[in-house]
Amino acid sequence: ELKVEQNPLFLSMQEGKNYTIYCNYSTTSDRLYWYRQDPGKSLESLFVLLSNGAVKQEGRLMASLDTKARLSTLHITAAVHDLSATYFCAAGLITDSWGKLQFGAGTQVVVTP
Amino acid sequence: GAVVSQHPSWVICKSGTSVKIECRSLDFQATTMFWYRQFPKQSLMLMATSNEGSKATYEQGVEKDKFLINHASLTLSTLTVTSAHPEDSSFYICSARDLGTGGAEAFFGQGTRLTVV
Repeated sequence: ELKVEQNPLFLSMQEGKNYTIYCNYSTTSDRLYWYRQDPGKSLESLFVLLSNGAVKQEGRLMASLDTKARLSTLHITAAVHDLSATYFCAAGLITDSWGKLQFGAGTQVVVTP
Repeated sequence: GAVVSQHPSWVICKSGTSVKIECRSLDFQATTMFWYRQFPKQSLMLMATSNEGSKATYEQGVEKDKFLINHASLTLSTLTVTSAHPEDSSFYICSARDLGTGGAEAFFGQGTRLTVV
């Protein structure tokens, strides 16, 4: 059974500082996703990571994947208020249908001045 | 990217009634769609896999007779919550993958907030 653990669950960020969210998964996965969710809204896709060593960056966010360690990280550079949201990682099993995902618990991010 | 549309975006129903939620892939065909449920302040939990032209596959603990799924076409899956009760109040989200592009991204609908009173 694929399990996804995310930490921290809550992250209070100061504007301008750097932070990292960690996502561990329990068994071999061939795809790792990061999503953002604003209150009352659905998921916004941030990154799709498909191979060991994959690194993707968009603005102040950068995601990486280490399949050997079964670890993905989401790094936030110079946090700004607009990044306040809940961030989820999700992994899929190689043997499962594409699109079937196991989600982490989510990290609630609050960015303050 | 591909668009997945859910309707309605919110619904309030009386306890004991049934509610149908639609999930449409607008610009691609989806042989498989997924239904998730999210309780407040919690993560998304997969409820079932909806397969076009065949029976849905339900995750352990999800009552198939309560959550009826129909995937009658390549662009539409429906989730019907039967005999709804207050504990069924939740945020329901569907997703699908555009197999036509070969991409790995899973696209999510905008979600349906169900409140049972």
